[in-house]
Amino acid sequence: NAGVTQTPKFRVLKTGQSMTLLCAQDMNHEYMYWYRQDPGMGLRLIHYSVGEGTTAKGEVPDGYNVSRLKKQNFLLGLESAAPSQTSVYFCASRGPTNTEAFFGQGTRLTVV
Amino acid sequence: AQSVSQHNHHVILSEAASLELGCNYSYGGTVNLFWYVQYPGQHLQLLLKYFSGDPLVKGIKGFEAEFIKSKFSFNLRKPSVQWSDTAEYFCAVGDSGNTPLVFGKGTRLSVIA
Repeated sequence: NAGVTQTPKFRVLKTGQSMTLLCAQDMNHEYMYWYRQDPGMGLRLIHYSVGEGTTAKGEVPDGYNVSRLKKQNFLLGLESAAPSQTSVYFCASRGPTNTEAFFGQGTRLTVV
Repeated sequence: AQSVSQHNHHVILSEAASLELGCNYSYGGTVNLFWYVQYPGQHLQLLLKYFSGDPLVKGIKGFEAEFIKSKFSFNLRKPSVQWSDTAEYFCAVGDSGNTPLVFGKGTRLSVIA
C-alpha cells in the first residue's frame, strides 16, 4: 500500500521556469491538500480539494495553481518560479470524517 | 478561523527526562486534534489523535496527550525521552467537517545523551 506518493522528490529550477508537482494517493480519499514547509513557519496550506474536479485556495495560494482531474491525483503547478518559492512541499490526503491526514514524502524545491 | 499556537520553538532535553510540549488552539466548535512528528529528512507521521471520548489519548512510542477543553489545549507528554525522539513535533487542528488541518509552527526537540 503506497499511500501518498509525490514526484519528484528534488528539483532545482531557474527563476521564471515552470514545473508541476504530482501527488497520487491510493486510499480513495476525497480530500487532498498541498502545504509548503519553511523553517520556523510550520506547514502552510497552499491549495486544497474536497473532491474530483474541485479546488480551493488556502493560506498562501499566490504563484501556484492546482488541478484535480482525477480523484487520486492532485497537481501543483508553478507557472513562473521565484526564489521565494524555494521550500519543501508536502501533499496530504484525508478520508471520511474524523480521520487523520496522510502525508507524502515531500518535494524539496530550490529556485535559483 | 482556526489557529494553533505552539509555545516552545526549540526544546533540549537529556535522555530519560520528561517531556511536555504545549499546544493551544482557537476554535469554538467541535475539534479534531492531532500531533504529528517529523524525523530529520522525513515526512510527517501521526503520533496520536483526538476526536471524542476520553480526553487522555495514548499514541505510538509512549507519547500521550491530554485534551483540556476549557483551556483549548492539547499538550503532548512523554515520561522519559530517548535520543531517537529527536525530531520536530507539530500540533494540528481540524473540524469534524474535514476542512484542511491547521498546523502550529512546530517545536524542535533535541535529546542529548
